[in-house]
Amino acid sequence: GAGVSQSPRYKVAKRGQDVALRCDPISGHVSLFWYQQALGQGPEFLTYFQNEAQLDKSGLPSDRFFAERPEGSVSTLKIQRTQQEDSAVYLCASRQGLTMNTEAFFGQGTRLTVV
Amino acid sequence: AQKITQTQPGMFVQEKEAVTLDCTYDTSDPSYGLFWYKQPSSGEMIFLIYQGSYDQQNATEGRYSLNFQKARKSANLVISASQLGDSAMYFCAMREGSIIQGAQKLVFGQGTRLTINP
Repeated sequence: GAGVSQSPRYKVAKRGQDVALRCDPISGHVSLFWYQQALGQGPEFLTYFQNEAQLDKSGLPSDRFFAERPEGSVSTLKIQRTQQEDSAVYLCASRQGLTMNTEAFFGQGTRLTVV
Repeated sequence: AQKITQTQPGMFVQEKEAVTLDCTYDTSDPSYGLFWYKQPSSGEMIFLIYQGSYDQQNATEGRYSLNFQKARKSANLVISASQLGDSAMYFCAMREGSIIQGAQKLVFGQGTRLTINP
């Protein structure tokens, strides 16, 4: 497809379980972002990649959160030992270039529910 | 302090009327960018409009315009001739700093839920 694709769309995890969320950005897009959106809130920045380099991970809430983009295309956000407060929609976005003046395309997100 | 403040949790507007969604921001950086996104019930964030801090004119994109008042630190979104399909959550966001400085991330407000009534 032409857009940013995220999978799975929905994930239910038991507390303590590890999860992996996948993001397929638009082909050729250099910049990739992960955001976390709690219910009724605006998205909050988690991490940013420029190609395969993770240049900013200041938004990751704890060391249970880990993101990678090993070949500069597909990215995976991993959450270890999930907690209830991790329940949220995780949004991935990609942008063609490095300038923020260009449009960033978002995926539809993965809704994670920790029970 | 909140970086982005959207004071209207919900707005109800009649179809074909114009609507203004409020956004104020807080930054001491002279270089920044302001964005508006639409989020329908399907979940994806759709880019609407961008305004740079050094842009002299207000940004416009079709039915969308951004009322940028720098001294007041406000960046209100104006939608002209609203349509039923405009019903969605709307988020104001800011990038602090310039690209040269490596600024990339967006800070979002809490959003405004806009409902267009037929």
